[in-house]
Amino acid sequence: DIQMTQSPSSLSASVGDRVTITCRASQGITNYLTWFQQKPGTAPKSLIYATSNLQSGVPSKFSASGSGTDFFLNISSLQPEDVATYYCQQYKSFPFTFGQGTRLEIK
Amino acid sequence: QVQLQESGPGLVKPSGTLSLTCAVSGDSSNIDKWWSWVRQPPGKGLEWIGEMYPGGSTDYNPSLKSRVTISLDRSKNHFSLELTSVTAADTAVYYCATRAYHFANSYWGQGTLVTVSS
Repeated sequence: DIQMTQSPSSLSASVGDRVTITCRASQGITNYLTWFQQKPGTAPKSLIYATSNLQSGVPSKFSASGSGTDFFLNISSLQPEDVATYYCQQYKSFPFTFGQGTRLEIK
Repeated sequence: QVQLQESGPGLVKPSGTLSLTCAVSGDSSNIDKWWSWVRQPPGKGLEWIGEMYPGGSTDYNPSLKSRVTISLDRSKNHFSLELTSVTAADTAVYYCATRAYHFANSYWGQGTLVTVSS
């Protein structure tokens, strides 16, 4: 199985900050990576597909990049509504696997 | 926009079978969509269970493969999950999800908690 490792595991930032979450795959997955946002008590919501493409309706404050084994999710102009756990998922090979999640909080 | 809604028993006895249904609405086109199930044990991360391809074939997580079946009923606009021989380790919130190629247009249901207990 491909292991996905996110860093940091938790992150605290101030309103208005820009934050970056990293996702590393244990082997190359080209661009077969997606990002989800899960707010407390709710279902995951897809933000990004194919490494860098925004899902319809997702604000442009979210952006992502990467290739191969290293991937990045950027969130600009942080707001209280961005408090959530963020997960990456690879779909290069079965079984699809998720990172352990990055919990984002507001200072 | 596609909407998904899981339903099924919230409590299953050990060694029993977990059966869930996901009702699909909001998009009558089932062509070129993948249908999947993901679970999340309380307070933990996400685990991919498996999915059905547009052509009808399936792939399952090897950790569950001998116990899991995903099926799709296009006439009723729903798809299903069956997990046999459950134990307490199968207690989780179960989510159904659908997507297009490369995970574009990815939608999830709200999830349903299934507890395995006698």
